Amino acid sequence: NAGVTQTPKFQVLKTGQSMTLQCAQDMNHEYMSWYRQDPGMGLRLIHYSVGAGITDQGEVPNGYNVSRSTTEDFPLRLLSAAPSQTSVYFCASSRTSGGGSYNEQLFGPGTRLTVL
Amino acid sequence: DAKTTQPTSMDCAEGRAANLPCNHSTISGNEYVYWYRQIHSQGPQYIIHGLKNNETNEMASLIITEDRKSSTLILPHATLRDTAVYYCIVRPRNNAGNMLTFGGGTRLMVKP
Repeated sequence: NAGVTQTPKFQVLKTGQSMTLQCAQDMNHEYMSWYRQDPGMGLRLIHYSVGAGITDQGEVPNGYNVSRSTTEDFPLRLLSAAPSQTSVYFCASSRTSGGGSYNEQLFGPGTRLTVL
Repeated sequence: DAKTTQPTSMDCAEGRAANLPCNHSTISGNEYVYWYRQIHSQGPQYIIHGLKNNETNEMASLIITEDRKSSTLILPHATLRDTAVYYCIVRPRNNAGNMLTFGGGTRLMVKP
């Protein structure tokens, strides 16, 4: 298994540009989520999905859109990039619970985004 | 999810045990204690979790006080590769989307 993959690893945007951060997993995980991490801070949840066709907002959803058309992919779209969105973006996935077990989240390597 | 309090930073000598405390005095009965760590520039990594009993796995041990208001993560023989930020998270076993709420964590520096 490749685990959780993210592309690109680095990206520089100008204010107002749009782009899509890609996230994919090959473990058939139902749960997928996007977090952002600003310098010196913990991760904050942007959006999450509990399965294909189902998405919901997290703590900091403004300025971002997501969709989940397949189990494998969960892209994050920046509609009109702003300097405040300069951050490191992490995608994570996990299985649904079953039999009372905890299914830990597996995180991707991150995308480092700079908005000028 | 209950709030957690952790020291901002700690040092540990290589080969010694690293004991990372976490205070969660408002924890409720259905909330578990989870530990993740984040090595520089990488995505967080799951370490261990527990409800009320002490837990041990190949990475660490988790000691939860009887009143469940605090816990300690123990790395029995810290190595330089254990230098990371350690996050203590308290939440129900499987909330919506299996979400995690990260605080500031403890920055552990393992020194030679």
